[in-house]
Amino acid sequence: AQTVTQSQPEMSVQEAETVTLSCTYDTSESDYYLFWYKQPPSRQMILVIRQEAYKQQNATENRFSVNFQKAAKSFSLKISDSQLGDAAMYFCAYRSAGSGGNQFYFGTGTSLTVIP
Amino acid sequence: NAGVMQNPRHLVRRRGQEARLRCSPMKGHSHVYWYRQLPEEGLKFMVYLQKENIIDESGMPKERFSAEFPKEGPSILRIQQVVRGDSAAYFCASSRSLAGTDTQYFGPGTRLTVL
Repeated sequence: AQTVTQSQPEMSVQEAETVTLSCTYDTSESDYYLFWYKQPPSRQMILVIRQEAYKQQNATENRFSVNFQKAAKSFSLKISDSQLGDAAMYFCAYRSAGSGGNQFYFGTGTSLTVIP
Repeated sequence: NAGVMQNPRHLVRRRGQEARLRCSPMKGHSHVYWYRQLPEEGLKFMVYLQKENIIDESGMPKERFSAEFPKEGPSILRIQQVVRGDSAAYFCASSRSLAGTDTQYFGPGTRLTVL
């Protein structure tokens, strides 16, 4: 079974600074998708960014970018110019591209605090 | 286009009662997924349904839990004879298709508290 590991339970960043959240995963598959979701205090799960494993280019969405290292099975999220509204739990998730792609496998999350 | 709707947002039940959680997928979405989030943990997959069919229930507890997605109306996650360990946030997600490029959109969740 696939596993997703987020080794940083908590992180903090100064407003306007940059922070990187780590995520590693374990899989024997070659084709899959990786995601970062944000869960603010409202508990809504909000998609931040998505990466297809077959793409070598790292995904970018405005201030959010990823560093996808397929060989190392690493998928970190970089938040630039951090804003107070970025404070939330961040979950890394894996989804198979094959017939087992019914579900996401989530990490345990990283709680991000943004310091004014 | 309204997002995924879940109700109730908060549900309190006493041990032994039944809990019914409802999920209306986004318009045009025919795939529904249920996840459970225990305190201090990530979301764990429970079940995947299409209209009138359960496709994958590998994450569902064998007893007391059931799910349906009828031809008309919302998807229902039903928990019979609830116990304190069922207290969690239950999230529903929907997608237009199963394709991996098709993102699952999550609802706001139902927080179940069992007294």
